[in-house]
Amino acid sequence: DGGITQSPKYLFRKEGQNVTLSCEQNLNHDAMYWYRQDPGQGLRLIYYSQIVNDFQKGDIAEGYSVSREKKESFPLTVTSAQKNPTAFYLCASSRRDRVSEAFFGQGTRLTVV
Amino acid sequence: GQQLNQSPQSMFIQEGEDVSMNCTSSSIFNTWLWYKQDPGEGPVLLIALYKAGELTSNGRLTAQFGITRKDSFLNISASIPSDVGIYFCAGERISGTYKYIFGTGTRLKVLA
Repeated sequence: DGGITQSPKYLFRKEGQNVTLSCEQNLNHDAMYWYRQDPGQGLRLIYYSQIVNDFQKGDIAEGYSVSREKKESFPLTVTSAQKNPTAFYLCASSRRDRVSEAFFGQGTRLTVV
Repeated sequence: GQQLNQSPQSMFIQEGEDVSMNCTSSSIFNTWLWYKQDPGEGPVLLIALYKAGELTSNGRLTAQFGITRKDSFLNISASIPSDVGIYFCAGERISGTYKYIFGTGTRLKVLA
């Protein structure tokens, strides 16, 4: 079945450590996105990529990094520079001509202790 | 960053009742989206609206793109227990920018 997969579902890290969240899609979508969700708030865009080897900062990119070496994959690294990394992270993908019809993964809940 | 204002923040309703929620902004949007999110899951797109005044249905759900382009409405008719969840609106101010602004969500709880 086609879809978008995030792993792991839950992740615990010690403060000061970098951590990488995985996002893979087999929908043949060009565009991929990373969002952060905090309790009681809407989604906020961290990074997005319209095509392989290209990505753009979203509204809250500080403390995060991404890569897009393959069309199917868009990993997000939460660095030690991110001041408040504990959150629910959502990855999404879409066709470039159907940006509004994005498919979301099931999310990764990151807890930094 | 900017977020859209959604209301109500939460609501309890009886099974079978109709539900209305809205999303407002001080800015004009070119596209409005409505998503539903179950606990611990990613949002699922319910309805997409592309033109001011557009009214679109998806089963028991109906959404409208406000004439002023600064608001959108979602109605759910004859609610059922599986309608429980958080409903988010999202708007795109400039078409094709890949940057959607999300509302703060309306948490719906249906009492059987």
